[in-house]
Amino acid sequence: EVQLQESGPGLVKPSQSLSLTCSVTGYSITSNYWGWIRKFPGNKMEWMGYISYSGSTSYNPSLKSRISITRDTSKNQFFLQLNSVTTEDTATYYCARWGYGSYRGDYWGQGVMVTVSS
Amino acid sequence: DIQMTQSPSFLSASVGDRVTINCKASQNINKYLNWYQQKLGEAPKRLIYNTNNLQTGIPSRFSGSGSGTDYTLTISSLQPEDFATYFCLQHNSLNTFGAGTKLELK
Repeated sequence: EVQLQESGPGLVKPSQSLSLTCSVTGYSITSNYWGWIRKFPGNKMEWMGYISYSGSTSYNPSLKSRISITRDTSKNQFFLQLNSVTTEDTATYYCARWGYGSYRGDYWGQGVMVTVSS
Repeated sequence: DIQMTQSPSFLSASVGDRVTINCKASQNINKYLNWYQQKLGEAPKRLIYNTNNLQTGIPSRFSGSGSGTDYTLTISSLQPEDFATYFCLQHNSLNTFGAGTKLELK
């Protein structure tokens, strides 16, 4: 079965970069698409972007200047970097399989809460 | 951007009730609409994909319908384990989510 697990610091200072890892088991990230989604306090959710089986990326235009998604195929992991964070980036961050059609959002990690605070 | 309006935000119901949750898109999303269930501290679980396709392993009391801009999740007979938060996702153009419905025990 496909499983995803997010990891990373739970606290980041304003203006710094947020870096998270998604570890995938049961499926190779060299197939399909892999995304990051976040859920803000108050429950609004936002799709952030994805990385494809080939390493190409697509980002939410609202984040395009600050976000980078990369991967390490040898470890079957992909990564989120969000630069210049503010308190408004405080959220629970999820990774998920983000393929097209029936694969869109079919498997998710349980999420990691990140607080931006000095 | 496509906006998703989900209703109701809160729903009180009893075991055995039939409940419906709605998502309305700001434009046609061509049935690219998924439904999820989430419990506190757990990963979202996909129930329905592309409007009316039941995810493998999900009980048949869950069903989805809709077209164009209007979509519905129906739970035909609530079970104790169904009390959770539900949200929709449109993936016709970029991806946007409904605000969620918290289903509580009456």
